Amino acid sequence: ETGVTQSPTHLIKTRGQQVTLRCSSQSGHNTVSWYQQALGQGPQFIFQYYREEENGRGNFPPRFSGLQFPNYSSELNVNALELDDSALYLCASSVDRGSGYTFGSGTRLTVV
Amino acid sequence: RKEVEQDPGPFNVPEGATVAFNCTYSNSASQSFFWYRQDCRKEPKLLMSVYSSGNEDGRFTAQLNRASQYISLLIRDSKLSDSATYLCVVMRSGGSYIPTFGRGTSLIVHP
Repeated sequence: ETGVTQSPTHLIKTRGQQVTLRCSSQSGHNTVSWYQQALGQGPQFIFQYYREEENGRGNFPPRFSGLQFPNYSSELNVNALELDDSALYLCASSVDRGSGYTFGSGTRLTVV
Repeated sequence: RKEVEQDPGPFNVPEGATVAFNCTYSNSASQSFFWYRQDCRKEPKLLMSVYSSGNEDGRFTAQLNRASQYISLLIRDSKLSDSATYLCVVMRSGGSYIPTFGRGTSLIVHP
């Protein structure tokens, strides 16, 4: 059983809308990262938070933003949704940077 | 050139076969390496870390070649349940430990 939970599991939004995806990490995991995975591709790194501060960012525009909270939860916000944002969004946590990650089961976002 | 490259496959092998995957990386500053397994429509799961000296976990052996900048995964005595996509992950440090995933290699083990 994964110790990382994500909500919602599925979501349909309209182009131009905003969305917030949520993740609850394992207790004690002070590092959380978010990924976008398109069909047939590997996960693409969006950003990482370490002790509530952004600690690294992939090649995603500023309309992708996030937060990490003291209770090991985090969220990914995407503004001005585009059709190409349709993908599986994965959250992963780790006890420390540089260690292996435990993934949540993901949120499948469809933008229409 | 992509930072992490994998042959997407699929590798189609019979039960009991030995199969090997390679993954090349371009950034020589990369520090940590992992193999993940992803089943269809599921999340990736950590299979094993890859250490400089090589490491083995049952039927699975991982190797790192820093000089040639690649990591490998060897699966012996393949089982039907090994059918999945295998993702390599390369992590560079410099303060932020950014993980980069390959696109994955698909393995199909048939009876």
